[in-house]
Amino acid sequence: QQQVKQSPQSLIVQKGGISIINCAYENTAFDYFPWYQQFPGKGPALLIAIRPDVSEKKEGRFTISFNKSAKQFSLHIMDSQPGDSATYFCAASTDKLIFGTGTRLQVFP
Amino acid sequence: SQTIHQWPATLVQPVGSPLSLECTVEGTSNPNLYWYRQAAGRGLQLLFYSVGIGQISSEVPQNLSASRPQDRQFILSSKKLLLSDSGFYLCAWSVTSPAVPQYFGPGTRLTVL
Repeated sequence: QQQVKQSPQSLIVQKGGISIINCAYENTAFDYFPWYQQFPGKGPALLIAIRPDVSEKKEGRFTISFNKSAKQFSLHIMDSQPGDSATYFCAASTDKLIFGTGTRLQVFP
Repeated sequence: SQTIHQWPATLVQPVGSPLSLECTVEGTSNPNLYWYRQAAGRGLQLLFYSVGIGQISSEVPQNLSASRPQDRQFILSSKKLLLSDSGFYLCAWSVTSPAVPQYFGPGTRLTVL
């Protein structure tokens, strides 16, 4: 019940396309859903986050869509660029942060 | 601005040897501090977190320990390393919820042989 399931494990997108990464959870007590971006050899960086009282949050080309009834949330990267190539982690928290297993995104020119 | 330092960047240690990884934070006071481990191709596992000097919470029972001797210093230690301790160790901090790290350090790549 504490797991956060993330898919796909890897994703290849052409430059300009939309990258979509999905996460699902079971624990309805989760109240904060951040996404992290990690470049090879570096630590993750907080990218964008959402609370369950809103269904969507947009920051630049990055959008989180949240479906509370389905217990799912997703990250959409619009106009994907080669510089977006990284591993993305979703997470969910109550008093502890539970990470998904990550999605390796590769954007080709 | 806030900065987080970790050292060493890489470390190769034999099985059974001791370990000491250090993390320091600049630009903030009384941060919440975390140690995470990331195994190859996997997600991040919370090992320890601290809300203040001398206050350590352990999330995973193992042969690792953590200490916080100063407000902005967090140390990860082991008396005897195991092969399974290999991984990418990340220090993180936040000034908001104790559960949610906002900023991660550059990490230490530990290989136990």
